[in-house]
Amino acid sequence: RKEVEQDPGPFNVPEGATVAFNCTYSNSASQSFFWYRQDCRKEPKLLMSVYSSGNEDGRFTAQLNRASQYISLLIRDSKLSDSATYLCVVRGANAGNMLTFGGGTRLMVKP
Amino acid sequence: DARVTQTPRHKVTEMGQEVTMRCQPILGHNTVFWYRQTMMQGLELLAYFRNRAPLDDSGMPKDRFSAEMPDATLATLKIQPSEPRDSAVYFCASGSGTGSYEQYFGPGTRLTVT
Repeated sequence: RKEVEQDPGPFNVPEGATVAFNCTYSNSASQSFFWYRQDCRKEPKLLMSVYSSGNEDGRFTAQLNRASQYISLLIRDSKLSDSATYLCVVRGANAGNMLTFGGGTRLMVKP
Repeated sequence: DARVTQTPRHKVTEMGQEVTMRCQPILGHNTVFWYRQTMMQGLELLAYFRNRAPLDDSGMPKDRFSAEMPDATLATLKIQPSEPRDSAVYFCASGSGTGSYEQYFGPGTRLTVT
């Protein structure tokens, strides 16, 4: 079983739609959680950290469910520019500063 | 606007040749990471440095790959000899390492070994 699992997609949604991605992680002692965004042929960029209480940044909402070991990302009012691959990222217990990246979920927002 | 820089951005080389990739982490960051990304394997960690000391290189093929930090502003990843299966995008990332675990990536080196 992979440490961090994501549905690879693609998720094809129309502009303005709300879309949600989930990610599961295997290590129950994992400490830190993030969502990164990667555009085609570009580097991954930090989208947001995920806090235990959940957090929101504009149209983006991240939630953490430690009991079920999953993380979610909700995008409201999706834009064409949201089209990218979204990487779920976890820092395990005793991992120091090392992060484990999921395989990514591809989102395509259509006009 | 602080960012991680990597050189070269693209490299095409023949099998058996030595390849050296360079990374300049964000000034003040004390953790540096090397990753490899392919379509099949996704993003894999190759090596991890903290305060220039290698802490983990378990993901790196030891027989042909080596990673060093000659100083705080330069990290290098070397492949000798290169093989076609090494073709991938190699990313360097840095982090502040002080209770904040976010990593910031450079633009990557796209390596093609023929």
